[in-house]
Amino acid sequence: DARVTQTPRHKVTEMGQEVTMRCQPILGHNTVFWYRQTMMQGLELLAYFRNRAPLDDSGMPKDRFSAEMPDATLATLKIQPSEPRDSAVYFCASGLGRGTDTQYFGPGTRLTVL
Amino acid sequence: AQSVTQLDSQVPVFEEAPVELRCNYSSSVSVYLFWYVQYPNQGLQLLLKYLSGSTLVKGINGFEAEFNKSQTSFHLRKPSVHISDTAEYFCAVTPISSGSARQLTFGSGTQLTVLP
Repeated sequence: DARVTQTPRHKVTEMGQEVTMRCQPILGHNTVFWYRQTMMQGLELLAYFRNRAPLDDSGMPKDRFSAEMPDATLATLKIQPSEPRDSAVYFCASGLGRGTDTQYFGPGTRLTVL
Repeated sequence: AQSVTQLDSQVPVFEEAPVELRCNYSSSVSVYLFWYVQYPNQGLQLLLKYLSGSTLVKGINGFEAEFNKSQTSFHLRKPSVHISDTAEYFCAVTPISSGSARQLTFGSGTQLTVLP
């Protein structure tokens, strides 16, 4: 049963620290999405990649957030420096790259910045 | 740009009763429509999607949704709910486009709580 995996599942850190979240998309999927979920804002798209190239990262605060795909099996989302307002659940999703396709979500990384 | 409105943030319902979760959207172009479910402490999972054809779409776990283009709605229904249906439900749209994948625009979610 193919699944999107995310690590870590939980992260507690102090303000100013660097945070790196990792995602392994489903094998064969060529599109990866990063979402952030908060009570106030709901689900927001931060960035997405197709064939490892960033297509849209307009939802991401550029000064502190960065997203990369070093290879087809790994996507990373980095926050440096982290701030308390970054506390949220971060989801990665992958898909086959067509608008009709289902996006398959990972279990999320719950980030708490103190 | 697209927007999605889920009219009810919380819907409590007794077990075995029917339920309808409402979703309206706004878009200047045609869209595909989706319903996702999120169980506690889990990621989102697709319930069903409307791409074209019959406006009544059947999904997993006995859910169905009806696309109404004139009312720009895509309400989710189940004739008899179970305790295990307790979860948050998200309506989402993406513009119809040939070519690259498009991001989903999500509604704010409806928390369905099934009471014994």
